[in-house]
Amino acid sequence: DGGITQSPKYLFRKEGQNVTLSCEQNLNHDAMYWYRQDPGQGLRLIYYSQIVNDFQKGDIAEGYSVSREKKESFPLTVTSAQKNPTAFYLCASTLGETSTDTQYFGPGTRLTVL
Amino acid sequence: AQSVTQPDIHITVSEGASLELRCNYSYGATPYLFWYVQSPGQGLQLLLKYFSGDTLVQGIKGFEAEFKRSQSSFNLRKPSVHWSDAAEYFCAVGVESSASKIIFGSGTRLSIRP
Repeated sequence: DGGITQSPKYLFRKEGQNVTLSCEQNLNHDAMYWYRQDPGQGLRLIYYSQIVNDFQKGDIAEGYSVSREKKESFPLTVTSAQKNPTAFYLCASTLGETSTDTQYFGPGTRLTVL
Repeated sequence: AQSVTQPDIHITVSEGASLELRCNYSYGATPYLFWYVQSPGQGLQLLLKYFSGDTLVQGIKGFEAEFKRSQSSFNLRKPSVHWSDAAEYFCAVGVESSASKIIFGSGTRLSIRP
């Protein structure tokens, strides 16, 4: 079955450590996105990529980094510069890059900073 | 600035009762409108979307939504809820052509009373 996988499901990090969240899709979608979700808030866009080897900052990119070396993979690194990284992180993809394209979401990774 | 508001943080309805979840947006032109559902600890799934044409949109799982330009609203409805409908529901608005410019509401948590 086609879809988006995220790993790990739960992740614990000590302060000062960088961690990388995995996102893989086998939908052959061109565009991929990372969102952050906090309780009582909507999704906020961290980074997105419309094509391999290219990505753009979203609304809250500070303290995060990404890469897009392969079409199917879009890992997110939460760096020690991110002041409040505890959150639920969602990866999504779209076939094209327009607003009319349906976003398909992965199951998410819950990151907790100890 | 463009925005989307879901005024109800939490709603409880009895199983078999009708449901209406409210969504209001702020945007000058006709936006692209979406409703997503999120089960606990999971990613989001698209319920329905509106771009143009008939203002009453049918979605999956028996949901429908109506676009009312005069009220800047896109409320989600279901005539008879099931216990499995308990989840969080997000309204989203696309205000530009790019899929990276979708704005999500803060969500409405739906509980079902047996």
